[in-house]
Amino acid sequence: DAGVIQSPRHEVTEMGQEVTLRCKPISGHDYLFWYRQTMMRGLELLIYFNNNVPIDDSGMPEDRFSAKMPNASFSTLKIQPSEPRDSAVYFCASSLSHGTGQETQYFGPGTRLLVL
Amino acid sequence: RKEVEQDPGPFNVPEGATVAFNCTYSNSASQSFFWYRQDCRKEPKLLMSVYSSGNEDGRFTAQLNRASQYISLLIRDSKLSDSATYLCVVGYSSASKIIFGSGTRLSIRP
Repeated sequence: DAGVIQSPRHEVTEMGQEVTLRCKPISGHDYLFWYRQTMMRGLELLIYFNNNVPIDDSGMPEDRFSAKMPNASFSTLKIQPSEPRDSAVYFCASSLSHGTGQETQYFGPGTRLLVL
Repeated sequence: RKEVEQDPGPFNVPEGATVAFNCTYSNSASQSFFWYRQDCRKEPKLLMSVYSSGNEDGRFTAQLNRASQYISLLIRDSKLSDSATYLCVVGYSSASKIIFGSGTRLSIRP
């Protein structure tokens, strides 16, 4: 398996622009997670899906952020409009299970976002 | 207070040394525990799960102390390649929640 795939790997955009991050989880994994990592705040869970349904979006910073999972093999995280404080590394992860003690999460390589 | 706390380090130790660091968690309902490793500019990867009885994987030993609510990671005979950030992860099955600590940076010098 190719592992979790994310695109783009790097994104530089200007404040106010829309940014769309993409993720393909490992085939057969029922859970998909979006994280944001910064030096100041560490790794923060933004939202996670189970069987394509959003379960917990309490980590989504504000209405500018939205996430979708139209099918089992694809998810997007959208920021509209983007702001400089959104600059971070965004990771997508997937797992077979969650909250069972056997929930190893497999992370994608991340998208490094810089908003100017 | 953060739910999962780690000393950010950095821990700077010579090759061959033994190094240990702890992670404390605040919620006694925590039920699963892990250590992840993150190399510079890379994604986190599972290093090992932490079981109640403690467990060992080669040079790495993980321990859980439920009474004091901390987990530990011990690395023996450290190698240059052990230089990384080690993330403590705590899970709560009742809430289907998993929380990452901010990580402890480890640097092994020749």
